Amino acid sequence: GDSVTQMEGPVTLSEEAFLTINCTYTATGYPSLFWYVQYPGEGLQLLLKATKADDKGSNKGFEATYRKETTSFHLEKGSVQVSDSAVYFCALSPNAGGTSYGKLTFGQGTILTVHP
Amino acid sequence: NAGVTQTPKFRILKIGQSMTLQCTQDMNHNYMYWYRQDPGMGLKLIYYSVGAGITDKGEVPNGYNVSRSTTEDFPLRLELAAPSQTSVYFCASSRTGPARTDTQYFGPGTRLTVL
Repeated sequence: GDSVTQMEGPVTLSEEAFLTINCTYTATGYPSLFWYVQYPGEGLQLLLKATKADDKGSNKGFEATYRKETTSFHLEKGSVQVSDSAVYFCALSPNAGGTSYGKLTFGQGTILTVHP
Repeated sequence: NAGVTQTPKFRILKIGQSMTLQCTQDMNHNYMYWYRQDPGMGLKLIYYSVGAGITDKGEVPNGYNVSRSTTEDFPLRLELAAPSQTSVYFCASSRTGPARTDTQYFGPGTRLTVL
């Protein structure tokens, strides 16, 4: 079945450092890929998404590129802020036409803490 | 526009008790979902619904039941609570399933402890 694997956390960085959170997936066909963020005490919010190979999703300074050849969707940010401290989830949705479209498969989440 | 709301925020149950977690969305979304989030784990799908009157099992449905009598509401019922159901429960909704890139909007969660 479909699966998503994220790098082990937690990740601790100083403000303005470069961030990479690795995400790889296993799925048939061409799934859509997502990054969700969960701030303390809140539900998940969509951060960015990509729907086909070589697409780049971006939002709030975060970027991730859909790499079909390496089945990866790594999250990057050039300069993190204290306000970026949160849990980050990589997720996939199967391609349309299947019976399970719309259902997300999540990675285990990566806790990011940014210190001033 | 409140989005997705969930009640209660916190609950402690004794083994064998039952309860209903409430979820309401005001975005007129057809699709609704229930997930559970265990510590250090990603979210796992319990049940989902593609519209009023239509529900289906997700990855971990055992011990839970759902109903969808209206577009807005999607309650999750726990019968005979067990310690293994201690978790944080999230409800989510999306506009439509066939448009596979549709964003899922999440509620703030219900933290349930079964003792």
